[in-house]
Amino acid sequence: AQTVTQSQPEMSVQEAETVTLSCTYDTSESNYYLFWYKQPPSRQMILVIRQEAYKQQNATENRFSVNFQKAAKSFSLKISDSQLGDTAMYFCASFLQTQGGSEKLVFGKGTKLTVNP
Amino acid sequence: DGGITQSPKYLFRKEGQNVTLSCEQNLNHDAMYWYRQDPGQGLRLIYYSQIVNDFQKGDIAEGYSVSREKKESFPLTVTSAQKNPTAFYLCASSTVADAAYEQYFGPGTRLTVT
Repeated sequence: AQTVTQSQPEMSVQEAETVTLSCTYDTSESNYYLFWYKQPPSRQMILVIRQEAYKQQNATENRFSVNFQKAAKSFSLKISDSQLGDTAMYFCASFLQTQGGSEKLVFGKGTKLTVNP
Repeated sequence: DGGITQSPKYLFRKEGQNVTLSCEQNLNHDAMYWYRQDPGQGLRLIYYSQIVNDFQKGDIAEGYSVSREKKESFPLTVTSAQKNPTAFYLCASSTVADAAYEQYFGPGTRLTVT
């Protein structure tokens, strides 16, 4: 079975500091997509960043960036200059192709990030 | 404003009753999804639909049913056969059923069955 593993159930960081959330995945595909989603206390899921596996350059979105290590099947999220509003559950998700040919996301169990003032 | 609406936000039912969760989108998206979220778990796919009048089972479809009669709507029925129905349910949609495209999520429905 395809899996996505987030090894850090909870993390905390001081405001303005940098934090890195880990994610590893398992896929047999050569081309695929990886995502980080944020779920704040409101429980609204929000896409943070997306990485296309065929692109060697790591994706960045303002204070959010990824460290994509394709050979190691690792996809970590770095949050710079952490803000109180970054407090949320963060889910890593990866592409999975089903036997029927369609595709779906597989999610990790999440990392609860708390940003302390 | 374009988006996905789920209603109601909180739903309470007695054990043994079927209940239907609503999901509507005005994003003109082809694909729609239903996920279940439990404490300490990621999102698990229940059902998905790539086109009107067609849908496929996800990883945990047992005890659930769906319909897709309109492009905008993808209701989920939690039947009495679902052994542990209490959970947070999220609906999502995307332009196509392709992992390259972002899935947009609704605000969710918290179902409690007693």
